[in-house]
Amino acid sequence: EVQLVESGGGLVQPGRSLRLSCTASGFIFGDFEMTWVRQAPGRGLEWAGFIRSKLNGGTTEYAASLKGRFTISRDDSNNIAYLQMNSLKTEDTAVYYCARIYPGLGSSGWFDFWGQGTLVTVSS
Amino acid sequence: EIEVTQSPATLSVSLGERATLSCRTSQSVGRNLAWYQQKPGQAPRLLIYGASARATGIPARFSGSGSGTEFTLTISSLQSEDFAVYYCHQYIVRPTWTFGLGTKVEIK
Repeated sequence: EVQLVESGGGLVQPGRSLRLSCTASGFIFGDFEMTWVRQAPGRGLEWAGFIRSKLNGGTTEYAASLKGRFTISRDDSNNIAYLQMNSLKTEDTAVYYCARIYPGLGSSGWFDFWGQGTLVTVSS
Repeated sequence: EIEVTQSPATLSVSLGERATLSCRTSQSVGRNLAWYQQKPGQAPRLLIYGASARATGIPARFSGSGSGTEFTLTISSLQSEDFAVYYCHQYIVRPTWTFGLGTKVEIK
């Protein structure tokens, strides 16, 4: 059974940093690209960024609004994806989900499994 | 960036009735569109990918249709567990995946 479990959320002051983890099980983690999606309170889903598999270079891409502050990395030996968030702003307050990208043929892939999310609250 | 517009924002439906949700993209995405269901306090769950393929374990009362820029999610006979928010998601363009703002299906 595919499982994704996020951790690391909490209350943080503006300008500080936080690192979220997404621990995967039930599939060959290294074979899949992983993504982070966030959801501000009462709002819709916002794609944040993704990381390619090592086979595809292990590189990352980010939403334009987050580029430069957020960094995604992966540890395939421990089946973990990370989201490092720096210079946090109050508008970064959201539930952060990790999801697995299913590689659809000829497309960028859809998100077939999601974690339960971890809440990040940025407030002084 | 491809914009995704869902309508209506809220849909009031009685148990057992049909619900029809719409999704429009600002440019053609072919059939590269997915639908997700989200219940309060839960993560999104994949319902449909490829515009019309049901994900594993999704009941047959959920069906998707459309291509290009116009898509529809139909719930043929609403059950109590179907009241939720539904999001559509275009995935033709990497890396900018985009979602609609959602349609809330509520009890009439």
